[in-house]
Amino acid sequence: IAGITQAPTSQILAAGRRMTLRCTQDMRHNAMYWYRQDLGLGLRLIHYSNTAGTTGKGEVPDGYSVSRANTDDFPLTLASAVPSQTSVYFCASSRNGPAGTDTQYFGPGTRLTVL
Amino acid sequence: GQNIDQPTEMTATEGAIVQINCTYQTSGFNGLFWYQQHAGEAPTFLSYNVLDGLEEKGRFSSFLSRSKGYSYLLLKELQMKDSASYLCAVIDSNYQLIWGAGTKLIIKP
Repeated sequence: IAGITQAPTSQILAAGRRMTLRCTQDMRHNAMYWYRQDLGLGLRLIHYSNTAGTTGKGEVPDGYSVSRANTDDFPLTLASAVPSQTSVYFCASSRNGPAGTDTQYFGPGTRLTVL
Repeated sequence: GQNIDQPTEMTATEGAIVQINCTYQTSGFNGLFWYQQHAGEAPTFLSYNVLDGLEEKGRFSSFLSRSKGYSYLLLKELQMKDSASYLCAVIDSNYQLIWGAGTKLIIKP
């Protein structure tokens, strides 16, 4: 059982390019989340999905979009990357949502640098 | 606004005890999590408190006082592998999870 996988592990991206970060879980969790983690700041929620077919905006959604076509996958897309989106991105899942009600399990993260 | 305060960094000695504090001001309270995050890795769940008092789990214990908006994580018999960041997160009245910036714990031999 892999838990949660993310791809790529790291990426350097030119500003203005489109990028999709992939996240897959095999725990049959209903809820999934995308966070960014920046030095000196707490994890900040970008988007979430409480169940397949639904998504919601978190604290910092601008410049990002998500989809949840099935239970397992929750890709995060940067339509036109900007340097301020340089960060470590974590995908997480929990048996149920909303975000605060269940223990969250995190993927290994994607380190993204936008130049 | 909502705020969670933790010390930025702490240093302790192998074999000793350390207490990491977390104070919070949030719109409501529905529980508090502690996560551990080793450098370059994902956060992993340590504990969950929703009622006042101490929850013990092996070498780690977590305490909550809702009236004081305060929690601490107590680590006993420190080992080098305990060097990590410890993240405090609070569930607010909207069941949103509010994260602190984390406390980096450095263990010295």
